[in-house]
Amino acid sequence: DQQVKQNSPSLSVQEGRISILNCDYTNSMFDYFLWYKKYPAEGPTFLISISSIKDKNEDGRFTVFLNKSAKHLSLHIVPSQPGDSAVYFCAAGVYNFNKFYFGSGTKLNVKP
Amino acid sequence: KAGVTQTPRYLIKTRGQQVTLSCSPISGHRSVSWYQQTPGQGLQFLFEYFSETQRNKGNFPGRFSGRQFSNSRSEMNVSTLELGDSALYLCASSLDGLTLEQYFGPGTRLTVT
Repeated sequence: DQQVKQNSPSLSVQEGRISILNCDYTNSMFDYFLWYKKYPAEGPTFLISISSIKDKNEDGRFTVFLNKSAKHLSLHIVPSQPGDSAVYFCAAGVYNFNKFYFGSGTKLNVKP
Repeated sequence: KAGVTQTPRYLIKTRGQQVTLSCSPISGHRSVSWYQQTPGQGLQFLFEYFSETQRNKGNFPGRFSGRQFSNSRSEMNVSTLELGDSALYLCASSLDGLTLEQYFGPGTRLTVT
């Protein structure tokens, strides 16, 4: 069963504009959420995380928003750059329980 | 500090065979997790090892097994391969299993014919 869903398999954005990637989860026990970026032929690399005690976490151009009532999180990239073109995975889990559920990924294409 | 390494990077096997994949975590990391990535399914959790013990397990059949050695290196074994086992197998390491940010290796691309 897909406990974490990324319903948009792809997204295309113009350089300099905002990219918004969305993720939904079903398990209300999840209290820690992460975003990973993956380039072809490489493993995913950690991007940013957020715990359920927060509703926003920012790191440079990347901001993750968490809406617990809607069981929804989103990743905002501002401004988007061509180098951001990659597949983005969201993951969710329970803190101190090292087992994560990943979404199926969203392929972001940032056009110059 | 060297990253997570996985060997081999590519592998072709036939149905019914078995395969062993290897993962060397970042030095000092004691937790190793394995994931299967297939198109449209994202990463699916296989299992996690910490200090040579399997601590967490995903919903995969018993044909998938693993182990961890005292130096934290981990192996994953798949017996009686099926066509549907063709996937990218990723391992990830973390410091102690309480640190949630995992570091992934490049993966082993397994093709079953």
